[in-house]
Amino acid sequence: QKEVEQNSGPLSVPEGAIASLNCTYSDRVSQSFFWYRQYSGKSPELIMSIYSNGDKEDGRFTAQLNKASQYVSLLIRDSQPSDSATYLCAVKGRDDKIIFGKGTRLHILP
Amino acid sequence: GAVVSQHPSWVICKSGTSVKIECRSLDFQATTMFWYRQFPKQSLMLMATSNEGSKATYEQGVEKDKFLINHASLTLSTLTVTSAHPEDSSFYICSVKKHSNQPQHFGDGTRLSIL
Repeated sequence: QKEVEQNSGPLSVPEGAIASLNCTYSDRVSQSFFWYRQYSGKSPELIMSIYSNGDKEDGRFTAQLNKASQYVSLLIRDSQPSDSATYLCAVKGRDDKIIFGKGTRLHILP
Repeated sequence: GAVVSQHPSWVICKSGTSVKIECRSLDFQATTMFWYRQFPKQSLMLMATSNEGSKATYEQGVEKDKFLINHASLTLSTLTVTSAHPEDSSFYICSVKKHSNQPQHFGDGTRLSIL
């Protein structure tokens, strides 16, 4: 069973719309959750971190966490072409290691 | 500013060559650093956890004699790919984190191409 699952995409969203990226995880005791953005050929960069249930907003980004459903999502409002990238969901497991999903490719249509 | 510096960013070399990659923590002393590998269109796979002053902890399936890790100071870890072969060609990325629950910060990565 995969520990962090994401839809690989590509997810195509019109410019200006809301992009919704989803992630599920298997380890119920996980406490820390992260979203990274990775442009092609580049290393990941941290977008959001979230530790408690509910929403966390930072600019155009909102992370949502539901520990009961073992589900974490990332919303990107007013999507821009520069948001086109692969988004990696990451979860800190019980052994303190961070496990990454395979990522969702997001394509913002101009 | 950058939290992690990784060098070199790009290496092309012949099969059988050993390649050393450096990872420096710029903002804080890091007792632990992480080495990842990423093949095209795949996710990051943790190779090993580098521990300052002690042996690295390798993930299952990663050959410790092939991927030598040295973490001699609190700001520097090195990964040496020994006798590299074409199948070792990949994107190698290091990362650091300040505290247990905090996110990891990644270096810019090293693209290794073995001919």
